[in-house]
Amino acid sequence: AQSVTQLGSHVSVSEGALVLLRCNYSSSVPPYLFWYVQYPNQGLQLLLKYTTGATLVKGINGFEAEFKKSETSFHLTKPSAHMSDAAEYFCAVSDTGRRALTFGSGTRLQVQP
Amino acid sequence: EAGVTQFPSHSVIEKGQTVTLRCDPISGHDNLYWYRRVMGKEIKFLLHFVKESKQDESGMPNNRFLAERTGGTYSTLKVQPAELEDSGVYFCASSPRTGDGYTFGSGTRLTVV
Repeated sequence: AQSVTQLGSHVSVSEGALVLLRCNYSSSVPPYLFWYVQYPNQGLQLLLKYTTGATLVKGINGFEAEFKKSETSFHLTKPSAHMSDAAEYFCAVSDTGRRALTFGSGTRLQVQP
Repeated sequence: EAGVTQFPSHSVIEKGQTVTLRCDPISGHDNLYWYRRVMGKEIKFLLHFVKESKQDESGMPNNRFLAERTGGTYSTLKVQPAELEDSGVYFCASSPRTGDGYTFGSGTRLTVV
């Protein structure tokens, strides 16, 4: 069975500071990994995904994530937070065979002025 | 292109009543998924259609839930009779191919009182 752990249900950073949202997963097969963002009153929007190939993945809005197999991690980073980044972020994994996504519990990012 | 559309956006019903949620995927997307987020918990997979066929319904909680996708276009998710624990946000997502990042709808917030 797959699982996803997001450390920290709430993260607060100052505008301009580094954003680091942690995600660890467990999977018995090579995983597909995703980060989604949900802004208030909106649906889930795909930020980035890792399937195969380069382990550093760049996404929208300046976010990137690095797949580290040895650490079973897929942490999300952004060098400089913007007020508009305030949202809830979800890490997810899928079994390439089963295709359903298994989500973490989400991390709510707050950006302080 | 139009995104994934869900309606209603909100529904408040009494325990024991029936509610039907609808999802219109992006045109041409064969894969359609239903997910649910119960208050404060993870987003959980419910089921996966490929065209009109149920590919995986392992996440359906019980037989009070019935999903259909007649003709392989839009999908409905009926809850009958609704119970208090069914309250949450129901998300629909679609993708053209398996393994792609899905496009999610904005969700239907269901409240059972």
